[in-house]
Amino acid sequence: DAGITQSPRHKVTETGTPVTLRCHQTENHRYMYWYRQDPGHGLRLIHYSYGVKDTDKGEVSDGYSVSRSKTEDFLLTLESATSSQTSVYFCAISEQGNQPQHFGDGTRLSIL
Amino acid sequence: SQQGEEDPQALSIQEGENATMNCSYKTSINNLQWYRQNSGRGLVHLILIRSNEREKHSGRLRVTLDTSKKSSSLLITASRAADTASYFCATEDSNYQLIWGAGTKLIIKP
Repeated sequence: DAGITQSPRHKVTETGTPVTLRCHQTENHRYMYWYRQDPGHGLRLIHYSYGVKDTDKGEVSDGYSVSRSKTEDFLLTLESATSSQTSVYFCAISEQGNQPQHFGDGTRLSIL
Repeated sequence: SQQGEEDPQALSIQEGENATMNCSYKTSINNLQWYRQNSGRGLVHLILIRSNEREKHSGRLRVTLDTSKKSSSLLITASRAADTASYFCATEDSNYQLIWGAGTKLIIKP
């Protein structure tokens, strides 16, 4: 498996609280992505990064922010969590934008 | 928006049989990729086929691409219990972003 670690793996929190998910890679890949996966949907892109401090929005970016201060770490923050953000969140990496992506094992987030 | 749509949504076959899954998409693509997801795990890349390719093989996997019909198929031959998983197609748009289908859940019965 590619060296991708997501933390935490599971989290339960309350509506209105801030939440930060971390993705750490040891592959030195340039691109990093955050997706959410919900039943009946494919993966949906939240934000992605194409380098340190270089990020862009995906399809479902509202309510989420990201930061990438180091090549190896990509943080996803829910500033004020809502129940609609209950989901499984996946981080992925790729060497270049047109290369296959490698995924972490996900973070299951429940917002009550 | 969902670009790819897999068909069928679920497929149950006997071990040793072949499994075929289809993917349709809506807009022009740079390439199409297939991924596998085991329960509770992340997705694993299986195969990438470029828009100018028609067929590609990898072990027991065979992928075809028909850009005129905007469709692709994934064939798994001689299925095994370990092939039980969900399979997703993803199309790469002009911005190199992947757009995903909702997946086909494959169950291999012993």
